[in-house]
Amino acid sequence: GAVVSQHPSWVICKSGTSVKIECRSLDFQATTMFWYRQFPKQSLMLMATSNEGSKATYEQGVEKDKFLINHASLTLSTLTVTSAHPEDSSFYICSARDWTANQPQHFGDGTRLSIL
Amino acid sequence: DAKTTQPPSMDCAEGRAANLPCNHSTISGNEYVYWYRQIHSQGPQYIIHGLKNNETNEMASLIITEDRKSSTLILPHATLRDTAVYYCIVRPSGAGSYQLTFGKGTKLSVIP
Repeated sequence: GAVVSQHPSWVICKSGTSVKIECRSLDFQATTMFWYRQFPKQSLMLMATSNEGSKATYEQGVEKDKFLINHASLTLSTLTVTSAHPEDSSFYICSARDWTANQPQHFGDGTRLSIL
Repeated sequence: DAKTTQPPSMDCAEGRAANLPCNHSTISGNEYVYWYRQIHSQGPQYIIHGLKNNETNEMASLIITEDRKSSTLILPHATLRDTAVYYCIVRPSGAGSYQLTFGKGTKLSVIP
């Protein structure tokens, strides 16, 4: 079945640096991918919808200049957390769906980001 | 999307059936019921989905009431590895990609 791969699985970096997270659809093309964030003991919250070849759509309260999304190909979306600070520490998860094959949405294994 | 209501937590003895309820009283005719689960520190895993008929796959069974206002996910023989947060989500059918809106889910603890 469809598989979504996310990399890296965890990252620790200093405050002020930028971190890039990749989300790949491994055996299908995804014109749309989704990025979620999950804080400890909370549910997943949608951050943005990544659209291949066009600008991402951000949810209310999510800073587009801080969370840069690039969806340059049909199998890859990237999320860059710019000038990361400790409050950006969270679990970031992407998802995608092969709707041409009527498949359900599948999720990556997430990226645990820790900003020191 | 219709809102769902789930109990915050449930316990189940290992080897017994786990029955997880979900209320979705405002579901509309073109909306499917999806179930996902999230094991600690992992991304959500798809389990099953249905529209109005009961569904079964290798992981679970989904029972949807005739009026579609509630459903039950059944794990027939729960194991310790089934300990996870289970999310019931309602979303439209049809082509295209739709984001999934997650509630708080039910934390299922399978007890030895």
